[in-house]
Formats: sequence, C-alpha cells, structure tokens
Amino acid sequence: EPEVTQTPSHQVTQMGQEVILRCVPISNHLYFYWYRQILGQKVEFLVSFYNNEISEKSEIFDDQFSVERPDGSNFTLKIRSTKLEDSAMYFCASSASGRIYNEQFFGPGTRLTVL
Amino acid sequence: LAKTTQPISMDSYEGQEVNITCSHNNIATNDYITWYQQFPSQGPRFIIQGYKTKVTNEVASLFIPADRKSSTLSLPRVSLSDTAVYYCLVGDDRGGFKTIFGAGTRLFVKA
Repeated sequence: EPEVTQTPSHQVTQMGQEVILRCVPISNHLYFYWYRQILGQKVEFLVSFYNNEISEKSEIFDDQFSVERPDGSNFTLKIRSTKLEDSAMYFCASSASGRIYNEQFFGPGTRLTVL
Repeated sequence: LAKTTQPISMDSYEGQEVNITCSHNNIATNDYITWYQQFPSQGPRFIIQGYKTKVTNEVASLFIPADRKSSTLSLPRVSLSDTAVYYCLVGDDRGGFKTIFGAGTRLFVKA
C-alpha cells in the first residue's frame, strides 16, 4: 500500500538554526499539506500546496516558514530561524483531491526539538 | 468551515460498542463529515466519511440524522488497540484546502 514518508524521524536543533523537514507524498497525489502538533495538543494546519504554489496557509505559517517541491517527489518544509516554541511533531500529508472530504494520507511525522 | 463539538474523552471496556457523537450545527448543504483516528506519536488516519444516513466500512459505522446537525461514529466491539484520539471534521465543498482539526475525543479502552 502506498504511503507518505518523512525524514528525519527526529531532528534536534539549536534555537536560531534553520531546519528542513522532508516528505515524499504518495506518487499520484497532487495536494500536499503540512501540519504540526505540539505535545498533548491538537493537530494544527500549517499550509496546503497545489500546482507548485501555496493554496492556503494558517496564521502560524509566518515568514519563518516556507515550503517547496524541489522535484517530482519531495515536498519540504523549511523553518528559517527556529524558536523554542517550534518544538513539535510535524506531519506531512497528501491527497488525490483538494476537497476537504477527500482522504488525506499522513506520514509518520518528524519530531522537532529546538534547544 | 463548520465548527464541530465532541466530548473531550470517553472510557470503554474491551468488547463494548463505542459511540462518539459530534455536533456540527452550522453544517452547509454540500459539506461531508469525515472522521480520523490518531494513535500516540502517529499521524491521523482516515476512518470513515459520509454525507447522510448511514455509512459502514470494515472499521466503523457513521450515523447521520436527517438534519445533519450531528453525527455518530460507532466502533463495534472495541479492543485495547482502539485507544486513540478520534477527530470529526466537516468539509467545505468549495474545494477548500484548509483542514481544521478540533480537539478530538480521547477514547481509552480498558481491559
């Protein structure tokens, strides 16, 4: 069964450093998403991406964040200058359709720890 | 996007049927109702989706009354491995790409 993969599984970084989280969505999917989940809290939408551009973003997704699809398979989330409060689990997801009721397939997540 | 309300937590015992109800009073005509499951330290996983009446798959059933202002996820004969957080989402048929998860219902299944 096809699945979304994410690397690394755990990233530890110092405050102020840049991090890039990587995702490989399911190959025939066209819509890509990033979410984050702070420990013990709910899943929060960050950004959606379609046709090589951002479709929607939340207020969390400020200028410190960027997304890119550098090639036909990877989808990345970059945090330019990490803060302590960026520590969270980051999930990538993909779907075949952008309709909200279309099933989104989530990756296993990257746990980001900012020291 | 329609706001959803679910119980914060529920307890059950193995072998019981569990029903989790979600309120969505402001659901729009074209909105669908989708449920996701999340185990600790994993990403959410799609369980079931429906528009009206009843939908059943190998994992769960979804009951939606005629007014569609609520929905009930039914898990038959739960096991310890069904301990998870269950999220109810209500869709925006305008092709919205912004998926909003609520706080979800934390189900704890005891032996």
